[in-house]
Amino acid sequence: EDQVTQSPEALRLQEGESSSLNCSYTVSGLRGLFWYRQDPGKGPEFLFTLYSAGEEKEKERLKATLTKKESFLHITAPKPEDSATYLCAVQGGGSNYKLTFGKGTLLTVNP
Amino acid sequence: DAGVTQSPTHLIKTRGQQVTLRCSPKSGHDTVSWYQQALGQGPQFIFQYYEEEERQRGNFPDRFSGHQFPNYSSELNVNALLLGDSALYLCASSSTNVLTFGAGSRLTVL
Repeated sequence: EDQVTQSPEALRLQEGESSSLNCSYTVSGLRGLFWYRQDPGKGPEFLFTLYSAGEEKEKERLKATLTKKESFLHITAPKPEDSATYLCAVQGGGSNYKLTFGKGTLLTVNP
Repeated sequence: DAGVTQSPTHLIKTRGQQVTLRCSPKSGHDTVSWYQQALGQGPQFIFQYYEEEERQRGNFPDRFSGHQFPNYSSELNVNALLLGDSALYLCASSSTNVLTFGAGSRLTVL
């Protein structure tokens, strides 16, 4: 069974203070690892897909990296508008269409 | 483009009742997935519909059923509601493996 564990559960940063969120996973045949952002009362918003170890993707202040067992979401010089819950999910191989999500990391960036 | 549209946004039911939630996918998407998100948890996969058939199902009881229509829109039905069914129900559409989520339907069971 696919499993995703995210840490920390909550993270509070000062504006401009860089940090990283962790996503550890176990999956049979990784077809993709996904990062989503979720604001309160809204649905998750797609950020990145990573497919193989060593892959990196960037978008504004966010950078996602992937190894064979974990992914990191690096946040550089965050702003208050980056405050949200960040969700990590994996899609396993074979005839598998579902995403298995972690519980998320609640990020708060104070001005 | 309106994205993924879900209705209703909020609803309150009592135990034992039945509920139907509706989803219109993003334009160009032919696949619809449903997820349940309890408070403080990540979304959990309920099932996925493609070509009007249930293509994959998660670990949810038969009380949860769905349908996809020829225009790709979808419904989620839950019978014999339990208190534990209170959650945010998310619909996601796709044409690849990247899901686009709606804002969800918040169900409260009293």
